[in-house]
Amino acid sequence: EAGVVQSPRYKIIEKKQPVAFWCNPISGHNTLYWYLQNLGQGPELLIRYENEEAVDDSQLPKDRFSAERLKGVDSTLKIQPAELGDSAVYLCASSSGQDEQYFGPGTRLTVT
Amino acid sequence: GENVEQHPSTLSVQEGDSAVIKCTYSDSASNYFPWYKQELGKGPQLIIDIRSNVGEKKDQRIAVTLNKTAKHFSLHITETQPEDSAVYFCAASRSPSYIPTFGRGTSLIVHP
Repeated sequence: EAGVVQSPRYKIIEKKQPVAFWCNPISGHNTLYWYLQNLGQGPELLIRYENEEAVDDSQLPKDRFSAERLKGVDSTLKIQPAELGDSAVYLCASSSGQDEQYFGPGTRLTVT
Repeated sequence: GENVEQHPSTLSVQEGDSAVIKCTYSDSASNYFPWYKQELGKGPQLIIDIRSNVGEKKDQRIAVTLNKTAKHFSLHITETQPEDSAVYFCAASRSPSYIPTFGRGTSLIVHP
């Protein structure tokens, strides 16, 4: 069974440009998470979805970040406009019911 | 909110030695304590977890202990091998699918 799939794996953009990340969770997993991981730190939650509903987005900087999970499967995270401080790894994870979370490989974003 | 402290930040051992990583947490409502291994360019992978109704859990060369009274838990790796080299994260949450709070990570280096 395929794990959590993320694309692209790497992205380099100039500041003020928009960028989007895509995540395909494990089949059947109703909960989807987006995390931000800065260098040398643990992941920090940006947003959590239960099916298509965002149930926890308190840590998402809504002035420039947006996310959607149409049809409760794939999800997209967008940044517009990107800032230098957004350079990080963006991780997607999914889980089913009360089971543990499974992480994808992440997208490494570099903003120049 | 929850606060997780992890020590040491870097751990260097010789192949065959044991490695111990320690974490403390602050929220007494936390009941689930997973440990993740993250290799370069990959997302965190769950290697072992423990719940608050258990004091110790072992899986081959890996063991985790939990002291709920003192609010600390530890990861023990015996007979370390070079392929154990990675960054290890502890985390604490109220359930496996709930939002975990991660420690800052321990970079384990196993020298052949």
